Amino acid sequence: NAGVTQTPKFQVLKTGQSMTLQCAQDMNHNSMYWYRQDPGMGLRLIYYSASEGTTDKGEVPNGYNVSRLNKREFSLRLESAAPSQTSVYFCASSQTGVGGYTFGSGTRLTVV
Amino acid sequence: GIQVEQSPPDLILQEGANSTLRCNFSDSVNNLQWFHQNPWGQLINLFYIPSGTKQNGRLSATTVATERYSLLYISSSQTTDSGVYFCAVEGRSGYSTLTFGKGTMLLVSP
Repeated sequence: NAGVTQTPKFQVLKTGQSMTLQCAQDMNHNSMYWYRQDPGMGLRLIYYSASEGTTDKGEVPNGYNVSRLNKREFSLRLESAAPSQTSVYFCASSQTGVGGYTFGSGTRLTVV
Repeated sequence: GIQVEQSPPDLILQEGANSTLRCNFSDSVNNLQWFHQNPWGQLINLFYIPSGTKQNGRLSATTVATERYSLLYISSSQTTDSGVYFCAVEGRSGYSTLTFGKGTMLLVSP
């Protein structure tokens, strides 16, 4: 019963470095999402994928790219990390119109 | 975009007390969800409730879509209820993407 699996759980980057956050779900959901959580801001949508082969920008997409590799996997890439991207990143999935979101356990990213 | 406001922002309870958390939203929605974020950061879906009332143990939720609000009731609170409670809504124009409120931080003391 893995649900949504995110890797890594923690990461420290230097300004300008790149990295990819991985997310995989085993519930056969069609939609997947990336959110960031900052103190006092709630969760804000970065990118989402309504179905395999499609991706769309959310509220705060600048500085990020995504890839929906297949139905199970949705990755988030930081090409040139900045201190403003220090945050906790959550991946989630859902079956559109049916039930709620399932979240992964999060990635705590610090950019120094 | 749609606005989501939660109240109160913070709440401290003694174990055994009851509480009501409120979520107001600015426009019609396709769905509404309540989440609990525990002290370890894990987000757990509590209710998927675009309208009506649902109950799950000591927790229940009511959404009055026509008046644009939802309520989360916690009865006989326990220390394990501590954490942050988020309300999130999907606007009518969205692809099932949720907009989150800023949350209510709940502390239940023994």
